Amino acid sequence: GENVEQHPSTLSVQEGDSAVIKCTYSDSASNYFPWYKQELGKRPQLIIDIRSNVGEKKDQRIAVTLNKTAKHFSLHITETQPEDSAVYFCAASRDFGNEKLTFGTGTRLTIIP
Amino acid sequence: GAVVSQHPSRVICKSGTSVKIECRSLDFQATTMFWYRQFPKKSLMLMATSNEGSKATYEQGVEKDKFLINHASLTLSTLTVTSAHPEDSSFYICSAPTGGLSGNQPQHFGDGTRLSIL
Repeated sequence: GENVEQHPSTLSVQEGDSAVIKCTYSDSASNYFPWYKQELGKRPQLIIDIRSNVGEKKDQRIAVTLNKTAKHFSLHITETQPEDSAVYFCAASRDFGNEKLTFGTGTRLTIIP
Repeated sequence: GAVVSQHPSRVICKSGTSVKIECRSLDFQATTMFWYRQFPKKSLMLMATSNEGSKATYEQGVEKDKFLINHASLTLSTLTVTSAHPEDSSFYICSAPTGGLSGNQPQHFGDGTRLSIL
């Protein structure tokens, strides 16, 4: 089955700096890669996603890149703000909207004011 | 608002008790629902896939006789933790895949159930 690894497990950055979280996956059939933000005791919230036919996607301060050959994808957050502090999970799936998600191990991001 | 409703949000009970968690899709039909478990400071791990009208598919290592899943209708799936023990204490969260029909969301998650077994 799919295995998704995520690094780093914790990340602290100064407010205004950039944060990068990286994930690798094992299943070459995976073609959909979402990123979720989860606050304590809450459901995961989808913040950005990318499909395998795209190499990069950006939404304001958040961007995701995908290298399908190397089987890795990354989340980039620029101009970080205190409200960006949360746990972030990457995930992989074989089919958007139909298949299960395999989640990475999570990254606790702390923005230092 | 929420399109997947999960109840209860919090359960505290004694060891040996069976606990039922409900997951409802509010404005769409879900022939499939996913049940995840999340231990403190850990990731979401898929426990099982609930299939309307047929048996659930369990992930490796998940005891099907302990975690009973029933998907009796197109809008309701239930997870029953039978004879719960302290090691079953966790955050249980369901989700319903959208089939790509709900905007950009691949799955709609419930709010989760915090289960604490004393």
